[in-house]
Amino acid sequence: QVQLQESGPGLVKPSQTLSLTCTVSGGSISSGDYYWSWIRQPPGKGLEWIGYIYYSGSTYYNPSLKSRVTISVDTSKNQFSLKLSSVTAADTAVYYCARAGLRSGAVNYWGQGTLVTVSS
Amino acid sequence: DIQMTQSPSSLSASVGDRVTITCQASQDISNYLNWYQQKPGKAPKLLIYDASNLETGVPSRFSGSGSGTDFTFTISSLQPEDIATYYCQQYDNLSITFGQGTRLEIK
Repeated sequence: QVQLQESGPGLVKPSQTLSLTCTVSGGSISSGDYYWSWIRQPPGKGLEWIGYIYYSGSTYYNPSLKSRVTISVDTSKNQFSLKLSSVTAADTAVYYCARAGLRSGAVNYWGQGTLVTVSS
Repeated sequence: DIQMTQSPSSLSASVGDRVTITCQASQDISNYLNWYQQKPGKAPKLLIYDASNLETGVPSRFSGSGSGTDFTFTISSLQPEDIATYYCQQYDNLSITFGQGTRLEIK
């Protein structure tokens, strides 16, 4: 059973960089059949796709966030990470790491989510 | 970018009712449309993939249909445990977009 777990600071100051890591267990991030994804949800609002990475390092980002987002992968640790720069209060959200199928884009495994608050 | 228009934004129905939610894509996405259920404080759960395929372990009262730009999600007989927010999600040209969500309540 694949499990994903987000980790990182729950509070980030405005203008700083938000950094989160997702640790994958129960399966290899190098399997080649999936995109490893970041999705967020502001409090009381809907879901927003941030981007995803293939085990080879190829990345695809939401155009609205592309200038501030970097997703990287560490296959030796079975982890992938998110960096979001120049954050504002609008970036306050629950951040989910997740696994999406290569062909369908269906997200069938999610982390539990971690709330990141942007505040001074 | 492909936009997804999901309706209604909220819905109140009685136990046993048939419930329908629609999702419209701004351009042809073939059948690359997935449906999720999200309960408060929980991560979303995949229910339907490729527009009409039931994810393993999901009750058969849930179904999906459509292709191209117009898609429908149906609960054939609403159960109390189905109270949640439902989202459609498209996957096209390596990009993902979610619909705005439909909050389903018991009448």
